[in-house]
Amino acid sequence: QSVLTQPPSVSAAPGQKVTISCSGSSSNIGNNYVSWYQHLPGTAPKVLIYDNNKRPSGIPDRFSGSKSGTSATLGITGLQTGDEADYFCGTWDYSLSAVVFGGGTKVTVL
Amino acid sequence: EVQLVESGGGLVQPGGSLRLSCAATGFPFSSYQMNWVRQAPGKGLEWVSYISSSGTSIYYADSLQGRFTISRDNAKNSLYLQMNSLRAEDTALYYCARQWNYQNPLDYWGHGTLVTVSS
Repeated sequence: QSVLTQPPSVSAAPGQKVTISCSGSSSNIGNNYVSWYQHLPGTAPKVLIYDNNKRPSGIPDRFSGSKSGTSATLGITGLQTGDEADYFCGTWDYSLSAVVFGGGTKVTVL
Repeated sequence: EVQLVESGGGLVQPGGSLRLSCAATGFPFSSYQMNWVRQAPGKGLEWVSYISSSGTSIYYADSLQGRFTISRDNAKNSLYLQMNSLRAEDTALYYCARQWNYQNPLDYWGHGTLVTVSS
């Protein structure tokens, strides 16, 4: 059972948009920055979004992040087959003194 | 170029021990906090442990129940994870990941080292 809650999977056709939610509490998302990671099997996870809505250099603007209260959302527009991966949200939890992750969401391009 | 390379994984019997290492290059290792994160087969990412840049602050996931010990050697640009009393549920790919501070993302990860606990 992950501290942060994500849907197990989302899917859409190429070119469409998907959103992935991440729900937490006041001890984590509510009082800290959220990051989003893309993880392809056999590879190192990669940061897509940090500080709720910022993109590292090299990450296309098709990826966006937002936060409201104790929830965060990752959006992917112009979906491509290369976007098929697992996506995780993560943040620091003050009560647990721990990094916490969501359970991950598998994105499928139909 | 930032590189994190894990090593030390392998097959170990239940109750056994392993010591994982993470060699860091391409950045000022002693300035960064470091973490171990694992992913069991078919499961999501699970944070394991955090160590501050100086090594003075350390945190562990509650689920470890005191069996793991994180450490670092800034002179050798290396991070370690001593794992004792291993259980089948510790079977996972173990990643090391760097972090500027606890409010920042884990911005670089290694490719992981596989630990399999089985008789």
